[in-house]
Amino acid sequence: EAGVAQSPRYKIIEKRQSVAFWCNPISGHATLYWYQQILGQGPKLLIQFQNNGVVDDSQLPKDRFSAERLKGVDSTLKIQPAKLEDSAVYLCASSLRGQGNEQYFGPGTRLTVT
Amino acid sequence: AQKITQTQPGMFVQEKEAVTLDCTYDTSDPSYGLFWYKQPSSGEMIFLIYQGSYDQQNATEGRYSLNFQKARKSANLVISASQLGDSAMYFCAMREGLMNRDDKIIFGKGTRLHILP
Repeated sequence: EAGVAQSPRYKIIEKRQSVAFWCNPISGHATLYWYQQILGQGPKLLIQFQNNGVVDDSQLPKDRFSAERLKGVDSTLKIQPAKLEDSAVYLCASSLRGQGNEQYFGPGTRLTVT
Repeated sequence: AQKITQTQPGMFVQEKEAVTLDCTYDTSDPSYGLFWYKQPSSGEMIFLIYQGSYDQQNATEGRYSLNFQKARKSANLVISASQLGDSAMYFCAMREGLMNRDDKIIFGKGTRLHILP
């Protein structure tokens, strides 16, 4: 069974530029999560989807971050414009609906904003 | 207030010894779940073990066990017979509420474990 795929693995941009990350969850997983992990901290949930609907986006900085999950499968997270404090690893995870006990994580995208 | 506290930023343990990683949590919800995840240098978060607040027995998964002390709000991870491959960051996490298992999980800051040969 293929795991959660993310791309790119690394990205370096200048502040005020825009960037997009892509996530392909495990086949059949209805729930998809985007986390932000700043160096030295644990992951923080940015947004959670159930199929193509948003369940929780309370910690998403909506003035610059956006996310979508068209057709309830792949998802894209965008930052526009980026700030220095957005430098972090962005992790995507998925789980079967109702089985949020076990979330399967992708390898993450390491973003550096200069 | 921090929901999850991991007081050990780093630990060094000799190979084959047992190791305990500390975790305390704060919640007023009687229903909650506690998790431990491992994050090796590759970056992926790997689920290790889960304990529900109403579970009568401590959770165990192979070499991993969770020492759940509800009154003290403590959920320490015990790794028996440590191996070099156990070197990684370890995160304790909590989900408040049990009815909806898709509620968000809150992570602690982690403990970096180094296993010495």
